[in-house]
Amino acid sequence: DTGVSQNPRHKITKRGQNVTFRCDPISEHNRLYWYRQTLGQGPEFLTYFQNEAQLEKSRLLSDRFSAERPKGSFSTLEIQRTEQGDSAMYLCASSLAGLGEKLFFGSGTQLSVL
Amino acid sequence: GDSVTQMEGPVTLSEEAFLTINCTYTATGYPSLFWYVQYPGEGLQLLLKATKADDKGSNKGFEATYRKETTSFHLEKGSVQVSDSAVYFCALSEGDKIIFGKGTRLHILP
Repeated sequence: DTGVSQNPRHKITKRGQNVTFRCDPISEHNRLYWYRQTLGQGPEFLTYFQNEAQLEKSRLLSDRFSAERPKGSFSTLEIQRTEQGDSAMYLCASSLAGLGEKLFFGSGTQLSVL
Repeated sequence: GDSVTQMEGPVTLSEEAFLTINCTYTATGYPSLFWYVQYPGEGLQLLLKATKADDKGSNKGFEATYRKETTSFHLEKGSVQVSDSAVYFCALSEGDKIIFGKGTRLHILP
């Protein structure tokens, strides 16, 4: 299976802890996106990369959130000092630049902050 | 910023009924428009798209027409099946990213 892979599937943490999620995109895709989705809402854009460059970050994104894509392949999303409001499904998607509108999504990481 | 508004769900229909899910958009430019679908237990996937005014996107019996004059992109299907039960998201492109609506949950009863 060469789809988008996200790990872990579920993460439970205590408020104030740091968490890190990983996304492995489809291998030939040069764009990688992170979205956040809460119950009853659509995916909310967080940030995206083209190769290793982070090209856009949502203005609504707290500075506790950071993302990397060091070699232009997999990406990590870290949340520092988690808060209960961070509880959500974190989705990763990848695409090819130029065909960037067709996003291929992973199954997501469900974060619960207690 | 650009945004999408779609009808609230859940929408419950009997099998073989006609489906319409309304979607309107607000955009400063000329975005591409999409419908994405999320089946139970699966990730979001592209259902159909249209890139300019009057284009019609179609897939799996679903259709949507890009209407610039009414800023709409309503999803339709002539005869739904139980397997169409899912959450449907209307979306638009803003630069290199996709902006999604809140989603409409569809239940099809046998």
